[in-house]
Amino acid sequence: RKEVEQDPGPFNVPEGATVAFNCTYSNSASQSFFWYRQDCRKEPKLLMSVYSSGNEDGRFTAQLNRASQYISLLIRDSKLSDSATYLCVVLGAAGNKLTFGGGTRVLVKP
Amino acid sequence: ETGVTQTPRHLVMGMTNKKSLKCEQHLGHNAMYWYKQSAKKPLELMFVYNFKEQTENNSVPSRFSPECPNSSHLFLHLHTLQPEDSALYLCASSQVEKAGGEKLFFGSGTQLSVL
Repeated sequence: RKEVEQDPGPFNVPEGATVAFNCTYSNSASQSFFWYRQDCRKEPKLLMSVYSSGNEDGRFTAQLNRASQYISLLIRDSKLSDSATYLCVVLGAAGNKLTFGGGTRVLVKP
Repeated sequence: ETGVTQTPRHLVMGMTNKKSLKCEQHLGHNAMYWYKQSAKKPLELMFVYNFKEQTENNSVPSRFSPECPNSSHLFLHLHTLQPEDSALYLCASSQVEKAGGEKLFFGSGTQLSVL
């Protein structure tokens, strides 16, 4: 099983719709979790950290489910500019190793 | 922009060439990283420098040689690369030993093509 696994997509989303996708991780002792956004041919940029209580930033909501070992990202009222690859990142138990998932591609269409 | 600048943005080199990638961070961070991103693969950590000391080398072939002269600058020296080394090479920095220090700030990357 991969350490961090994501559905590669693409998720084709009508503009204005809601899309959600998950990321599973194999190490139950993982400490911290993040979502990064990467546009085509650009560098990844931190979108949000994922807290145990879940957190929201505008149209984006991240959730952590430790029991089932996954994190999720939900995007409401999708904009064309939300089209990107969303990378799930997990900080290992020792707190010194970040592991990236392969990314989930989201395409928002008019 | 992100405070991490990388040069060059694009590089084409033959297998016998020697070239270097350069990274500079203006964020006052104490850790710097080299990542490799190949098509359809997750980012792979290559090297980590923490307080200028190399703390991780993820079984990277010796044809990649990192150098960290100070906490703001990081180089990746390339020598006799193979076509399969063609990828996007990303530099990143973070402030370790601080709450939220695991958050990475990336440079814009060097798109490398080895012919």
